[in-house]
Amino acid sequence: QVQLQESGPALVKPSGTLSLTCTVSGGAISDYHWSWIRQSPGKGLEWIGYSSYTASTNHNPSLKSRVTISVDTSKNQFFLRLSSVTAADTAVYYCTRSQYYYDTRSAFHVWGPGTMVTVSS
Amino acid sequence: QSVLTQPPSASGTPGQKVTISCSGRTSNIGSNYVHWYQQFPGTAPKLLMYRSDQRPSGVPDRFSGSKSGTSASLAISGLRSEDEADYYCAAWDDSLSGPVFGGGTKLTVL
Repeated sequence: QVQLQESGPALVKPSGTLSLTCTVSGGAISDYHWSWIRQSPGKGLEWIGYSSYTASTNHNPSLKSRVTISVDTSKNQFFLRLSSVTAADTAVYYCTRSQYYYDTRSAFHVWGPGTMVTVSS
Repeated sequence: QSVLTQPPSASGTPGQKVTISCSGRTSNIGSNYVHWYQQFPGTAPKLLMYRSDQRPSGVPDRFSGSKSGTSASLAISGLRSEDEADYYCAAWDDSLSGPVFGGGTKLTVL
């Protein structure tokens, strides 16, 4: 059974960079598509971006060029970096895995428990 | 402002049938499957329905999904108190080249 676990600083200063790690256990990260999704307090879900098993990446245009998603297959981890953060980036951040390895459009089948990140000085 | 439109709330009494709607555009629901997620307070969302009308293993058949044109719906029959949660629809958007979500519907079991 694949399990995901997010980790990283809970507090980030404004204008700084948010860096999170998702550790994958019970399965190989070299397969499937791996996404980051966030949820602002009391709000809905927002897709941030993904990195696929083919090493292609894509991110939500609303986040412009602030997002970097990468994968380290040797450690079975994938990463999120979000630069120039503001209070609007305060949210619970989830890492997820696609339902089908071959289909970027497939549902988010496996979720980490999420990690709360607050942007504040 | 979410790309997909859901009613913010829905309610029903135990045993009733409740339907949650999700409205979108040709570029998302009109061209792609819809997925539904269930989220309890303080926990991560869980996949409830995929490819518009398919239930993952372990999801009771009281839950059903459908899609027509640019709209989709999630129906819950035989409503139970443990169904009280937030429900989100999602679909791939061809214009965005990524998935979009609805704003979520908070289901209350009276």
